[in-house]
Amino acid sequence: EVQLLESGGGLVQPGGSLRLSCAASGFTFSSYTMTWVRQAPGKGLEWVSAISGSGYTTYYADSVKGRFTISRDNSKNTLYLQMNSLRAEDTAVYYCAKAWEVAGEPLDNWGQGTLVTVSS
Amino acid sequence: SYELTQPPSVSVSPGQTASITCSGDKLGNKYACWYQQKPGQSPVLVIYQDTKRPSGIPERFSGSNSGNTATLTISGTQAVDEADYYCQAWDSTTRVFGTGTKVTVL
Repeated sequence: EVQLLESGGGLVQPGGSLRLSCAASGFTFSSYTMTWVRQAPGKGLEWVSAISGSGYTTYYADSVKGRFTISRDNSKNTLYLQMNSLRAEDTAVYYCAKAWEVAGEPLDNWGQGTLVTVSS
Repeated sequence: SYELTQPPSVSVSPGQTASITCSGDKLGNKYACWYQQKPGQSPVLVIYQDTKRPSGIPERFSGSNSGNTATLTISGTQAVDEADYYCQAWDSTTRVFGTGTKVTVL
């Protein structure tokens, strides 16, 4: 059974930093593209970032480019999101999700999410 | 930037058919997928590659995609189908989600 468990969320001041982790199990982690998706309170889903299975290729939404860094440690089956220069508008539940290796790469497994609150 | 537009809400009576649209420029030329999200829960994939259902998704969920519109159809809607639904497609290397539709089963 695929399991994705996010951690690292919390309250941080504007301009601060936070690192999210996503521990994966139940599948060959290194074979799959992994993604971060966020959801602001009461709002819709927003794609944040993605990383290839090898970790060599990364993608970012314009809203986080230059501030967030996605990475992975395949030896630890763990995905990360380093978030710097945080803003109030980054407040959201952050989900990690696994991309299914079929055309269109739908997200077939999601974690339970971790809440990030940016506030003074 | 690429946008996917959904109606904010759809209401349906139990046992009836609910249709949720997702509009985007030349969306029919892309693969669309759909996610269901119940309150306080993580999203769940219900349709991928326009029309396919993942294992475990009931047959009452179906999808289509043509022109500028993808559609998620729930036939014989049940109370458990009450949720938010999001379409999603790709714009180059960017994954784009639709604005979301709240389905209410009256």
